[in-house]
Amino acid sequence: QSALTQPRSVSGSPEQSVTISCTGTSSDVGGYNYVSWYQQHPGKAPKLMIYDVSKRPSGVPDRFSGSKSGNTASLTISGLQAEDEADYYCCSYAGSYSWVFGGGSKLTVL
Amino acid sequence: QVQLQESGPGLVKPSETLSLTCAVSGYSISSGYYWDWIRQPPGKGLEWIGSIYRRGSSGSTYYNPSLKSRVTISEDTSKNQFSLKLTSVTAADTAVYYCARGKIGNYYKDYWGQGTLVTVSS
Repeated sequence: QSALTQPRSVSGSPEQSVTISCTGTSSDVGGYNYVSWYQQHPGKAPKLMIYDVSKRPSGVPDRFSGSKSGNTASLTISGLQAEDEADYYCCSYAGSYSWVFGGGSKLTVL
Repeated sequence: QVQLQESGPGLVKPSETLSLTCAVSGYSISSGYYWDWIRQPPGKGLEWIGSIYRRGSSGSTYYNPSLKSRVTISEDTSKNQFSLKLTSVTAADTAVYYCARGKIGNYYKDYWGQGTLVTVSS
């Protein structure tokens, strides 16, 4: 059960769009439509932003969207805002009641 | 409002056992969610440790294979809390430990505790 692969860092200017990838295997990302994404600000607990690949919990802006193709899931943030600067983690169900996280991506808003 | 709060020693000696408790308010842990432990070493990513899920009269547990030999998760429904024990700790177990609620069937974690830092050092 290896960690999912994410870029260590991504950046974008305000109002631009950025996409964070999350690559796994057919045993996790590719095998289930149970990818979730979490936002974590420094010193804070993670916050659910996307679940079931592309669904947004109540209260999460529609600037956040998710998708999946094969073994790679993606989180896209459009209309970047300063408060979006944070670490982002993907998580996938990996079968047999187990979960695997990505290594995290640091988003910098330039 | 669902709230989770971790508690336990902030310092554990190498080779000893790390013990943490997660107190849940606003929702009964017997009512059909997974209850997870997740950790984050300083400056690193998240790692799922394990989960407990009540099936009928007892809780079923599931562990990360890499930690399974050292981890025990248990529940105390009378106190509405669940606990983590990690044995034979080393410096590599130094991390912020989070408890979280996991949605059955969709498998996402919707509520998290604030986290508690546990340092393994002599």
